[in-house]
Amino acid sequence: AQKVTQAQTEISVVEKEDVTLDCVYETRDTTYYLFWYKQPPSGELVFLIRRNSFDEQNEISGRYSWNFQKSTSSFNFTITASQVVDSAVYFCALSPGNTPLVFGKGTRLSVIA
Amino acid sequence: SAVISQKPSRDICQRGTSLTIQCQVDSQVTMMFWYRQQPGQSLTLIATANQGSEATYESGFVIDKFPISRPNLTFSTLTVSNMSPEDSSIYLCSVLGGAWNTEAFFGQGTRLTVV
Repeated sequence: AQKVTQAQTEISVVEKEDVTLDCVYETRDTTYYLFWYKQPPSGELVFLIRRNSFDEQNEISGRYSWNFQKSTSSFNFTITASQVVDSAVYFCALSPGNTPLVFGKGTRLSVIA
Repeated sequence: SAVISQKPSRDICQRGTSLTIQCQVDSQVTMMFWYRQQPGQSLTLIATANQGSEATYESGFVIDKFPISRPNLTFSTLTVSNMSPEDSSIYLCSVLGGAWNTEAFFGQGTRLTVV
């Protein structure tokens, strides 16, 4: 069975602070894929990243970075120098491939000006 | 990649009525999925819709309440039947694509409010 845990329900930060969103997953599959999505108030899901289980390299994209650690089954997401436009709900998700994604409960991030 | 067009984007419906949501994909896909996202909650899988066969429903969801059609490899509909305020949610369709179906694509969602 697949499970994704996002323990942080809500986080509030002041603009320009760094913030890390935690994601812990459970799976018995040796091959799997991890995802992060952003859901702004408009409701659509915005794809941020997909990482396969064989690639533990950390990734940086602008102000976003992701830390994947198989040893702790974690795939954490850091926003550097947060901005008001980063305010949204962020979902971590998991799939072994060829099956629908299993989502965590999401973390609501509020960035205050 | 796959581009998904979902209609309507939002609707306000009277309780007891039904709403059909359409999902059109710009390429042929084997599996399509329907999710529900209740207010402040995560996405929950309703069912998997395969072309040419009955949809497979997840625990807690039944065909009478959420009938699904999948007439071809690019289109599916989800009907929310006999609606009540508890059905107020965002409904999203999704497909898999890419190598080994490891990429997930989502429609823009249908925001349903039942009054």
